[in-house]
Amino acid sequence: GEDVEQSLFLSVREGDSSVINCTYTDSSSTYLYWYKQEPGAGLQLLTYIFSNMDMKQDQRLTVLLNKKDKHLSLRIADTQTGDSAIYFCAESGNQGGKLIFGQGTELSVKP
Amino acid sequence: GAVVSQHPSRVICKSGTSVKIECRSLDFQATTMFWYRQFPKQSLMLMATSNEGSKATYEQGVEKDKFLINHASLTLSTLTVTSAHPEDSSFYICSAAGATNEKLFFGSGTQLSVL
Repeated sequence: GEDVEQSLFLSVREGDSSVINCTYTDSSSTYLYWYKQEPGAGLQLLTYIFSNMDMKQDQRLTVLLNKKDKHLSLRIADTQTGDSAIYFCAESGNQGGKLIFGQGTELSVKP
Repeated sequence: GAVVSQHPSRVICKSGTSVKIECRSLDFQATTMFWYRQFPKQSLMLMATSNEGSKATYEQGVEKDKFLINHASLTLSTLTVTSAHPEDSSFYICSAAGATNEKLFFGSGTQLSVL
């Protein structure tokens, strides 16, 4: 079945780059997403990439997609303490709008 | 970006009572809305998919008589937790998709605590 895997924790120092990795299984996914969740809050859509792209950049965020290996990554440049949160990778699968989420990666940014 | 409003953000209720959670798309028409449940430190578990004007589709293992979903308009879906029990305590999040289903926008979530 469809599955999305992420590492659970990442700790970086303020000002460094963070790279959060994700692997997925459904090669028919049209879109892949990155969401951010702060404690007690809903999910904030950070960025998404269409499956026929291999890179997308949006200010401090860079998404890389390796479709052959079904690997997605999110790079946050100049990581700030305000970036501390849980980051979820999600794939769209083959059913429009129904997302499959990874377990989430807890990013901790130390001053 | 699009805004999805979810209300209430927090609710505490007694065991046996019912609780209604509302999800509204404020600046777009949501043909499809999704309800998720999230336990602490865990991912989101899809409970059901609701399409405007039709019955919701529930995921395996989710009791449709326990979690009533109504999607009466293109901007409003409600989830009613009936006869709530302590094990229903959780964080419930809704999301809404526009016509193209390209993006999903999430509400801010509802923390339900059943005493």
